[in-house]
Order: sequence, then structure tokens, then C-alpha cells
Amino acid sequence: SQTIHQWPATLVQPVGSPLSLECTVEGTSNPNLYWYRQAAGRGLQLLFYSVGIGQISSEVPQNLSASRPQDRQFILSSKKLLLSDSGFYLCAWIRQRPYEQYFGPGTRLTVT
Amino acid sequence: GNSVTQMEGPVTLSEEAFLTINCTYTATGYPSLFWYVQYPGEGLQLLLKATKADDKGSNKGFEATYRKETTSFHLEKGSVQVSDSAVYFCALSDMFSGGYNKLIFGAGTRLAVHP
Repeated sequence: SQTIHQWPATLVQPVGSPLSLECTVEGTSNPNLYWYRQAAGRGLQLLFYSVGIGQISSEVPQNLSASRPQDRQFILSSKKLLLSDSGFYLCAWIRQRPYEQYFGPGTRLTVT
Repeated sequence: GNSVTQMEGPVTLSEEAFLTINCTYTATGYPSLFWYVQYPGEGLQLLLKATKADDKGSNKGFEATYRKETTSFHLEKGSVQVSDSAVYFCALSDMFSGGYNKLIFGAGTRLAVHP
């Protein structure tokens, strides 16, 4: 069966510091991967998606970037965090048949 | 573009009450429709789905019927429990311009069930 991991689970970082969040998927190959952000009490905002190694598309302009160095690894980064980057970050992958999207446990980021 | 609208929360109910969370959508074509649930501090879990008009998705006592004529996918449960307290997201399938799939989510509805 497929599982999706995210780490760290929680993170507190000062403004201006760098960020690296990691997502890995097990039990599938060549998955489509997604990064979402959920601000406190808000819905989900799609940040990035990737259909393969080195292929990243951004949905919204922002202070963050993403990379996919390996087939089942998806990394969210920032060189300098802003207060507005605080939120709950979710990684997800899509199974095509049947079409379903599965989410990781999330990383709660607090920028102070 | 495609979009999903959910009723605003929070929805507060007593245990064993009937639940309805409204969801309507705007879409071209025939998207699949989903309900996800997010328990406190956790990621989203797929609750149920429907892939075509008049399909009924069901799981854990929850149900939703894909109504094309009213563009709705309302979530219902006959008797809620305290453990159902969570945030519920309605979503529909969509496509990026490059032909890849994505989901469009509603804003979420928080449900609080009291004993």
C-alpha cells in the first residue's frame, strides 16, 4: 500500500531564516505530487505541483520554492521566511485509477 | 473557472443529531466530487467520492449524492457522534492547462458535536 510521509511534524523558525520541508511517498512510482498550505482557520491553497523529477509548476507567486530531486521526494524551501509563511503545509499525491488524492500528515510551521 | 462553495461554519450539533453540510459547485464537463475530513492537527483523509451524476458516495455513515441538476454534493449523516468533530472539505476534480489532474477545494466547514 502507498504511504506518504512529511517531516518535520512541527517547526518554529524566526523571520528571515531558511526553510526545508520534506515529503516522501512509498509504494508507488512516478506519482504526481502537490504542496498545499492551509492558513489558520482557512481552506487549502495549492502552492506547487510536480509530474516528475525536476518538473515543478507554481500555482501562485510567493516566497517559497519547490524541488523534486528524486521520483518520490518533494521538497518545499525558502531562503528567507516571512511571518505570512506560517501555516499548515500538506503534501499530497494523486492516484489516477481510481482518481483519488491522498495527503500526508502535514507540517505545522510557525514563523516568529 | 471551476469552483466549490461550502456552507460556512462552524456547525454545532448535539450527539445523535442529523447533519447536513451543503456543497455546490461550478464546473465545465463532468468532474468527480469528493468529501475530505480533517481531524485536529492531522492531514486530510478521503471520506467519500462520486464520479458521475446520481452516484451516491458513502462511508462511516456519511453519504453524499452527485446532483447534476442542482450542481450539489451535500454531505449528510443521520446521527453524528462526538468523534465526528472535524473540518469537512468538499472538492472537485479539475485539470491544469498541461492536462494534469488537480483538486479544487471548498473553504471547509468546521463541525463541532457536543455530548
